[in-house]
Amino acid sequence: AQSVTQLGSHVSVSEGALVLLRCNYSSSVPPYLFWYVQYPNQGLQLLLKYTTGATLVKGINGFEAEFKKSETSFHLTKPSAHMSDAAEYFCAVSGSGGYQKVTFGIGTKLQVIP
Amino acid sequence: DAGVIQSPRHEVTEMGQEVTLRCKPISGHNSLFWYRQTMMRGLELLIYFNNNVPIDDSGMPEDRFSAKMPNASFSTLKIQPSEPRDSAVYFCASSPRGQGFWTEAFFGQGTRLTVV
Repeated sequence: AQSVTQLGSHVSVSEGALVLLRCNYSSSVPPYLFWYVQYPNQGLQLLLKYTTGATLVKGINGFEAEFKKSETSFHLTKPSAHMSDAAEYFCAVSGSGGYQKVTFGIGTKLQVIP
Repeated sequence: DAGVIQSPRHEVTEMGQEVTLRCKPISGHNSLFWYRQTMMRGLELLIYFNNNVPIDDSGMPEDRFSAKMPNASFSTLKIQPSEPRDSAVYFCASSPRGQGFWTEAFFGQGTRLTVV
């Protein structure tokens, strides 16, 4: 069994400020973790993923996330928000190996204030 | 590559009518997923195909829903009869790997279904 909790369905930041979107997961097996972004009227696009190896993962558009097993967290960060970052962000978890269903979080809408 | 192509982009239908959603995955991808997105339930996996074979349909809500993948380049999701609670955005996604979701899945733009 696995689940994802995204804290805060809406997050607002000022342009240039730090972006921090929180994700905690639960998994009975070693997890694979993902962050996806969804722009209005679009499908989801992969930002970054953690499978094995380095726990700090860098993705597209300056985003990164750190896998912390002890905290069961995979928070998404970006040092400086741009207006173009306004979108909805989804954290997802799957088990490692073979076919494992991916479970998505409910999503966090990021608003960037000029 | 044009990416995952879904049609139609928008569908409005009356309760009780049959609805068919279509998906063309990226060429060469052998995994295909259908998802449903609603405000209340978020993104839910409905069904997963691998090499055109349904592997996991545990997310299909009820018998009114059916999905087929007659070949590697085409899949359909059918709802018959449709009900207002089926209103949602339906996404198709494809992946180049045989099993597992640990590689990137590419999403289509979705079909927004409204059942009145």
